[in-house]
Amino acid sequence: GQNIDQPTEMTATEGAIVQINCTYQTSGFNGLFWYQQHAGEAPTFLSYNVLDGLEEKGRFSSFLSRSKGYSYLLLKELQMKDSASYLCAVRDSDYKLSFGAGTTVTVRA
Amino acid sequence: IAGITQAPTSQILAAGRRMTLRCTQDMRHNAMYWYRQDLGLGLRLIHYSNTAGTTGKGEVPDGYSVSRANTDDFPLTLASAVPSQTSVYFCASSEGTSGEETQYFGPGTRLLVL
Repeated sequence: GQNIDQPTEMTATEGAIVQINCTYQTSGFNGLFWYQQHAGEAPTFLSYNVLDGLEEKGRFSSFLSRSKGYSYLLLKELQMKDSASYLCAVRDSDYKLSFGAGTTVTVRA
Repeated sequence: IAGITQAPTSQILAAGRRMTLRCTQDMRHNAMYWYRQDLGLGLRLIHYSNTAGTTGKGEVPDGYSVSRANTDDFPLTLASAVPSQTSVYFCASSEGTSGEETQYFGPGTRLLVL
């Protein structure tokens, strides 16, 4: 099974940068995903990492260190619409996803 | 519009009743999944199907059953609902199970069991 930890809540100011950390312990690893979920809506895909390093997609970047069991999602130039929950998910050796409980990010003006 | 649909959107159900949550996708994805999402626990996998005709158990399968008679449909059945099954249920699909083949989620079904 998987043990996936991420902070429960974070607050930041519009225009700022926020980094959401995720640590995991796995019995197998086949990639790490980040999803965004607005209140009352379905999760939507943000990023995917399978090799160590940084993946950048516009204002969002995701980093992975497999040896440390660690990832982070970096949100730059925060906008009010970025207020949401961010879910870290690890794909195991059976190719199934296990999710962390999610980090609720609140962006304040 | 391509995507995943779920029905019903929400439901109040008496304990002991049987209930089937419906999920249909039109993306011709091979793999489909059912999750439940509870506050503070995140998404937990109930059952999955890697391809039509096959199903598997996830992390929390007890009290639930699924079938995958064709590619598009993946219904989830609660044989005899209990209050602990009150949750938000998400169906998801993916083209495959490897690489950058992300899962796409339906809008969810909010279920209250009394």
